Amino acid sequence: EPEVTQTPSHQVTQMGQEVILRCVPISNHLYFYWYRQILGQKVEFLVSFYNNEISEKSEIFDDQFSVERPDGSNFTLKIRSTKLEDSAMYFCASSETTGRYGYTFGSGTRLTVV
Amino acid sequence: DQQVKQNSPSLSVQEGRISILNCDYTNSMFDYFLWYKKYPAEGPTFLISISSIKDKNEDGRFTVFLNKSAKHLSLHIVPSQPGDSAVYFCAASVNNAGNMLTFGGGTRLMVKP
Repeated sequence: EPEVTQTPSHQVTQMGQEVILRCVPISNHLYFYWYRQILGQKVEFLVSFYNNEISEKSEIFDDQFSVERPDGSNFTLKIRSTKLEDSAMYFCASSETTGRYGYTFGSGTRLTVV
Repeated sequence: DQQVKQNSPSLSVQEGRISILNCDYTNSMFDYFLWYKKYPAEGPTFLISISSIKDKNEDGRFTVFLNKSAKHLSLHIVPSQPGDSAVYFCAASVNNAGNMLTFGGGTRLMVKP
């Protein structure tokens, strides 16, 4: 069954450093998403991406965050200057059509900011 | 802003019995609802969904019920199996409002053999 692949599975970074989380969505999917889950809290929407541009973003997705689809297969989330409160599980997801009917999630990257 | 709430953080059920997981929402604009299951160290996986034009949707051992007037949905698992032990999230979306899903906080289901 097709999968969304995320790398690395765990990343530790120092506060203030830039970090890039990588995702390979399912190949025929057109919509891409990032969500995050702070330990013990809800899964929260960050951003959706379609046709090489951001289609929606939440208030969490401020100027410190950016997304990119640098080639035909990868989808990345960059955090420019990490803060302690950015520590969370970050999930990438993709969908073939509009995601409101559900997406396929990756296994997540656990980001620890120290 | 808790638009989707799962008030029970955990539920323990005996194998073979019914598991009932509940979810409440406040946003009357939600018109599509989904349940996801999540095992440790994995991403959420889609389980079952329901449109607001229906009040029930069934898929094998899993049935979702929607009560729009009460803004409440529930997931029934019958019979429960130990492999069903996971965290269950309900999620909702709004028509013509993009692709965002709003998730509840999750309920940890433990099915005891």
